[in-house]
Amino acid sequence: DAGVIQSPRHEVTEMGQEVTLRCKPISGHDYLFWYRQTMMRGLELLIYFNNNVPIDDSGMPEDRFSAKMPNASFSTLKIQPSEPRDSAVYFCASNYGRTEAFFGQGTRLTVV
Amino acid sequence: RKEVEQDPGPFNVPEGATVAFNCTYSNSASQSFFWYRQDCRKEPKLLMSVYSSGNEDGRFTAQLNRASQYISLLIRDSKLSDSATYLCVVNFNDMRFGAGTRLTVKP
Repeated sequence: DAGVIQSPRHEVTEMGQEVTLRCKPISGHDYLFWYRQTMMRGLELLIYFNNNVPIDDSGMPEDRFSAKMPNASFSTLKIQPSEPRDSAVYFCASNYGRTEAFFGQGTRLTVV
Repeated sequence: RKEVEQDPGPFNVPEGATVAFNCTYSNSASQSFFWYRQDCRKEPKLLMSVYSSGNEDGRFTAQLNRASQYISLLIRDSKLSDSATYLCVVNFNDMRFGAGTRLTVKP
């Protein structure tokens, strides 16, 4: 298996633009997690899905953030409109049950 | 209160030293526990799982105390290559990470 695949690896966008981050989890995994990492706040859980259903989105910072998982092999995290304070590394991870989670390489987002 | 709290660090130790990291968690129903390692500008990767009986993997020993809701990681004979950030992880359906503890091992 290729592991968790995220795209793009880097994204630079202007304030106010829409940003879409993509994730392909490991086949067979039933949980998918979206995290945001900054120096100030560490690794924050934004939202997670179980069998494609959002379970807990309490970590989503505000209504500008939304996430979907239309099928077992694809998820998106969208920010609209983006702001400079959204600049961070966004990680997607997946696992099966309560086993270890595997991370993608992350998307480094810069909003200018 | 944060769900997972770790020693703030940073830890700066000489090669060959023994170093211990601690972590507490708030959800007593948590089911599984892990230590992850994250290198600079990389994704976190599993270092080891933590079992109730304690477990060892070479120079690394992890322990879990459910009564005190506490997990620990001990690194013996530290190497330069151990320099990284160590994150404790607690799972109850979700996967909650501690803030991480930065370790630098110096020659």
